[in-house]
Amino acid sequence: DIQMTQSPSTLSASVGDRVTITCRASQSISSWLAWYQQKPGKAPKLLIYKASSLESGVPSRFSGSGSGTEFTLTISSLQPDDFATYYCQQYSSWWTFGLGTKVETK
Amino acid sequence: QVQLVESGGGVVQPGRSLRLSCAASGFTFSSYGMHWVRQAPGKGLEWVAVIWYDGSNKYYADSVKGRFTISRDNSKNTLYLQMNFLRAEDTALYYCARDQEAGGATYQPFDYWGQGTLVSVSS
Repeated sequence: DIQMTQSPSTLSASVGDRVTITCRASQSISSWLAWYQQKPGKAPKLLIYKASSLESGVPSRFSGSGSGTEFTLTISSLQPDDFATYYCQQYSSWWTFGLGTKVETK
Repeated sequence: QVQLVESGGGVVQPGRSLRLSCAASGFTFSSYGMHWVRQAPGKGLEWVAVIWYDGSNKYYADSVKGRFTISRDNSKNTLYLQMNFLRAEDTALYYCARDQEAGGATYQPFDYWGQGTLVSVSS
């Protein structure tokens, strides 16, 4: 099974900050990686798929990069609505999620 | 608009059974692969099961294999999860989710999710 490791588990940031979250796969997954945002009491929301493709309706301040085993999600300028937990997911072989990164207010 | 509405959760004793439903609307249900994903309280997301758009293939996470059965009724636009021999560790919010692309037999991310139904396994 492919394991996904996210870091950090918690990130403290302020509005306007550039935020980067990392996800590592235990083996190569090419670009078969997605990023989701989840707010308390809500379902996850797809942000990025195929490592760097922005889902329709998602603000352009979100971007994804990477391939193989190393991936990043970047929020170029953190907005109040972006405080949430972010999960990476590989879909190269079955589906596996990372443990999540909580972005909280500094 | 796409809507997925789960139901059927509740409190159940260990070893008992429960059937979850997911009513779909706003899209051609019979064209999309569908999944169940769960989230234990305060924890991350765990993929549980998938069923192909036509019901021809079904796959499960090792943690539920042999106990859970995914099915669908395309005439009723409804997805199901039959959960037998429930354990305390099955306690979670269960989401249904849709494949991003119609008709695909390949792995895909999930573009629409329901709001979840809570299953609590406790004596």
